[in-house]
Amino acid sequence: NAGVTQTPKFQVLKTGQSMTLQCAQDMNHEYMSWYRQDPGMGLRLIHYSVGAGITDQGEVPNGYNVSRSTTEDFPLRLLSAAPSQTSVYFCASSYSLVGELFFGEGSRLTVL
Amino acid sequence: AQTVTQSQPEMSVQEAETVTLSCTYDTSESDYYLFWYKQPPSRQMILVIRQEAYKQQNATENRFSVNFQKAAKSFSLKISDSQLGDAAMYFCAYRTSNAGGTSYGKLTFGQGTILTVHP
Repeated sequence: NAGVTQTPKFQVLKTGQSMTLQCAQDMNHEYMSWYRQDPGMGLRLIHYSVGAGITDQGEVPNGYNVSRSTTEDFPLRLLSAAPSQTSVYFCASSYSLVGELFFGEGSRLTVL
Repeated sequence: AQTVTQSQPEMSVQEAETVTLSCTYDTSESDYYLFWYKQPPSRQMILVIRQEAYKQQNATENRFSVNFQKAAKSFSLKISDSQLGDAAMYFCAYRTSNAGGTSYGKLTFGQGTILTVHP
């Protein structure tokens, strides 16, 4: 049972480059979300989706895009990477809008 | 908007002893969920325990228990018989149960507490 799968686990980018963090879940969860984790700030919500074709912004959406074409996949796109986007990114999902989230293993992104 | 505060950046405990991690939150809602997640050095976020606000009984999972004080908006985690494998960052988190609000579905985290377990 794979759960929530994120790729890549590590990535180094140069300022201005673009990239996509992939997230897939095999639990038929309707709710999917992306968080970033920075020291001393916990996890902050970037974007989330309550179902295929529906996405919305979280606390820190600037510089990121998402789409949800299928129930299983929720990619996060960095349009033009900046050093401030150096962080650890987590994808998380849940069956409904209440209850616990299930997390991927995280992706460490460094922007030089 | 809801906020979650963990006032202890770091805590330490001796193996086999008991430690309590603090968490307070601010909300105007009456129905919500509270969670404690553990993040070991592997970075994986692991659910430790959950509490539904409408339940008066404190949740318990083996050596982990909570002290949920709804009126005081406090949600502390007690780890009994601490083990070396309990060493991790612990996050307190809040999720509303009220459909239709702007925060519906969002999980709000505290800043985290690093727990060190000494042998």
